[in-house]
Order: sequence, then C-alpha cells, then structure tokens
Amino acid sequence: DSGVTQTPKHLITATGQRVTLRCSPRSGDLSVYWYQQSLDQGLQFLIQYYNGEERAKGNILERFSAQQFPDLHSELNLSSLELGDSALYFCASSPSLAGPRMETQYFGPGTRLLVL
Amino acid sequence: TQLLEQSPQFLSIQEGENLTVYCNSSSVFSSLQWYRQEPGEGPVLLVTVVTGGEVKKLKRLTFQFGDARKDSSLHITAAQPGDTGLYLCAGFFTGGGNKLTFGTGTQLKVEL
Repeated sequence: DSGVTQTPKHLITATGQRVTLRCSPRSGDLSVYWYQQSLDQGLQFLIQYYNGEERAKGNILERFSAQQFPDLHSELNLSSLELGDSALYFCASSPSLAGPRMETQYFGPGTRLLVL
Repeated sequence: TQLLEQSPQFLSIQEGENLTVYCNSSSVFSSLQWYRQEPGEGPVLLVTVVTGGEVKKLKRLTFQFGDARKDSSLHITAAQPGDTGLYLCAGFFTGGGNKLTFGTGTQLKVEL
C-alpha cells in the first residue's frame, strides 16, 4: 500500500460523457502527478500540481483538466470522452518540489476507465 | 519528443535463470529510475541512478547507468517467480523539467 488512494477503481461510461477521477496523496506530500497508461502509448505523464498550483504539463489533451484543492487532494476531469481515452489513470504523490529528480513518486492503484 | 526504448518487450524464463533488460535513448538523462508494476497496481520505484557509470545493487537486481547517461540496464540474477511483472525505466531528461518520461516496458514472466 503506497498510501495514495484513488477513486473510483473502475469506471465505465459512454463516448461524449464527462468523468472525474479523484486522488488523495500520501499524508504530507505536496506534489501530485497524473499519468495515463494505455496499451499503445504506455505510461505517459499528464500533469503535476504542487501545493495547489500547476507546475508541469505533459501530453495532456485540452479535453482534460486537473486541479489540486487546499486539502491537497486532486481531481482529473476528462470530458467529451472518446474510445481512445480508455486507459488506466494513475495518480502519484511526492513530498515536495525541491528535488523531483531524486524523489520517490508513490503511485496509487489507478482508475481503470472504459469508454464504450 | 524524447523516447525511451526498452528491450526485450517480453521475456519468459525459467526460475533460476539470469536476465538483462535494456533501456535506451538518444537523449541524455539527468537521472533515471527503474520501476516494477504488478497487475492491478501502480508502479513501485526500485532504484534511482544519477551518475554516469553508476552501479547499484538491490539483492539480486543490479542496475547500471551508462557512462553517457543515455542508457541503462537491469540485470536479475537467479530469477524467481516473485520477480514476475512489468519493468519500466523512466527518466528525467536534461532540460526536460520535472516531466518523468517512461520507457516502453518489459513484461517479465518467471516460471517454476
């Protein structure tokens, strides 16, 4: 158990819909990262938040957005869903921004999204 | 786009065999990490290497960082069924900020 929690574990929805994935970081961790894992693209970094502010952006689509709240939990919003958005979405957390290249990112168990 | 290529993509071996997984890029890493992921779970960090030529050992696992910091390898000695999983290398590229780029992955299966 990494200490990172993600809900829901599974999500099935239809094309065109909007969903929200939720992540609670480990106690004390200020940074939250979102990743997408699919068979064809592998594990890809989407976005990072540190203490409520966006700090790094990866290959995140414009239809996707995220935020980190004052209690440090984070939500990833996916809208106008397409079949190709079906994937595992992981959240990870780390203690601070001071040294992400040396820090351990602790991954949650993921949310499996299926778009039909 | 910076790419991390891993080889082999799939590996099925018998218990007790040795194996090596490779991670290669045309770009320079400022640091590189290796993760293992099991079905239904998120990746778990095994090691971080920073210095070119660095070698780190974790029980039966040996990690090596290339001198030019463009490649890395993971060697497992006397593999056990518990080593089964998806092995991922991931790197912070020089000039890439805090974006962690993951490799294509190596699926390892160790059979009795």
